[in-house]
Amino acid sequence: ETGVTQTPRHLVMGMTNKKSLKCEQHLGHNAMYWYKQSAKKPLELMFVYNFKEQTENNSVPSRFSPECPNSSHLFLHLHTLQPEDSALYLCASSQDSTGKLFFGSGTQLSVL
Amino acid sequence: AQSVTQPDIHITVSEGASLELRCNYSYGATPYLFWYVQSPGQGLQLLLKYFSGDTLVQGIKGFEAEFKRSQSSFNLRKPSVHWSDAAEYFCAVVPDISNFGNEKLTFGTGTRLTIIP
Repeated sequence: ETGVTQTPRHLVMGMTNKKSLKCEQHLGHNAMYWYKQSAKKPLELMFVYNFKEQTENNSVPSRFSPECPNSSHLFLHLHTLQPEDSALYLCASSQDSTGKLFFGSGTQLSVL
Repeated sequence: AQSVTQPDIHITVSEGASLELRCNYSYGATPYLFWYVQSPGQGLQLLLKYFSGDTLVQGIKGFEAEFKRSQSSFNLRKPSVHWSDAAEYFCAVVPDISNFGNEKLTFGTGTRLTIIP
């Protein structure tokens, strides 16, 4: 148990669906992240939030929409995804300048 | 281009044997260096990190890594592996320490470790 919880663990959706991924951290950290992990590719940083403010959007398509209502919760809203968006989506949190990310177990997303 | 390279996609070792996983980076300055491990169906867990000082760093689960500036390497080692060490191992770098507060880690593509009895 890392203190970062992601739901759901698995998600199958069609290209016209709208769904959301949820992440919650119980560590009192002030930064939260979304990463995409695809087979045979390095982890890709998607979004960074510091104190609820988005500080990084790594050229992510608009069909991915993050939301950070407070420093403990992070959402990733999904709509009109493509099959190539199928991947493991990992949430992480950190305290500033510690160099240590705590990851959730991820949501395995399949887009049909 | 600046990058993190893990040359070995897959390594198989016998239980009890020693292990070394390679990592090279191509940044000009000394970056902050990390090793993470990902067990099947799990997120990543930090094994160890190097910021400065002693170039041999100790981590959790009996792992250590050595920073060699002349070789731009940060290889991970363990003297005797256990079956539970089977996992994917990722080297990661924060290339620009002035941006360190955002933990903009750049990850390698990973090395999958298989342990045979």
